[in-house]
Amino acid sequence: DAMVIQNPRYQVTQFGKPVTLSCSQTLNHNVMYWYQQKSSQAPKLLFHYYDKDFNNEADTPDNFQSRRPNTSFCFLDIRSPGLGDAAMYLCATSGDQTYNEQFFGPGTRLTVL
Amino acid sequence: AQSVAQPEDQVNVAEGNPLTVKCTYSVSGNPYLFWYVQYPNRGLQFLLKYITGDNLVKGSYGFEAEFNKSQTSFHLKKPSALVSDSALYFCAVTGSTLGRLYFGRGTQLTVWP
Repeated sequence: DAMVIQNPRYQVTQFGKPVTLSCSQTLNHNVMYWYQQKSSQAPKLLFHYYDKDFNNEADTPDNFQSRRPNTSFCFLDIRSPGLGDAAMYLCATSGDQTYNEQFFGPGTRLTVL
Repeated sequence: AQSVAQPEDQVNVAEGNPLTVKCTYSVSGNPYLFWYVQYPNRGLQFLLKYITGDNLVKGSYGFEAEFNKSQTSFHLKKPSALVSDSALYFCAVTGSTLGRLYFGRGTQLTVWP
């Protein structure tokens, strides 16, 4: 089945220690998204790619970076995690029309010690 | 600016009774409206969407939603609730910019036996 896969499902890191979360998709979608979601709140968009074009949300901290080496893979790098970065991180993909629904991965829960 | 409002943080309903989860929207231009469901420690799952046409939209798991332009509402409904429907439900609308999905704050639905 076509799907969005996130690894790892659970990630524990130390304060200030860089961490990378990964996302892969078999849907061959042009658009990929990274969201941050805290304790049953609405997901907050961090950035998205339209193909190779990177779009950063204005309020996304510089501490968060992303890479998309090819259509299938996308990475979220947190350069110096703080306690406030503990959250669920969701990856999603969609087709390239505004009315296309987004397909979400299962998420990576990040704990910062 | 695009936005959605979910006026209820929680909805409680008995199994077998009809359920409604409310959503109102504010958009400039044509609204593309979505409902997503999230189970604990999982990503969001797409339920249904309204693009154009018939105001009653049918989706997954027996859910439907009615688009009401005059009331700017897009309420989620199900004729007979199941305990397994208990989850967090998000209404969302797309903006004019591809990739920008505006979420409501979510409604926790609890169906009790």
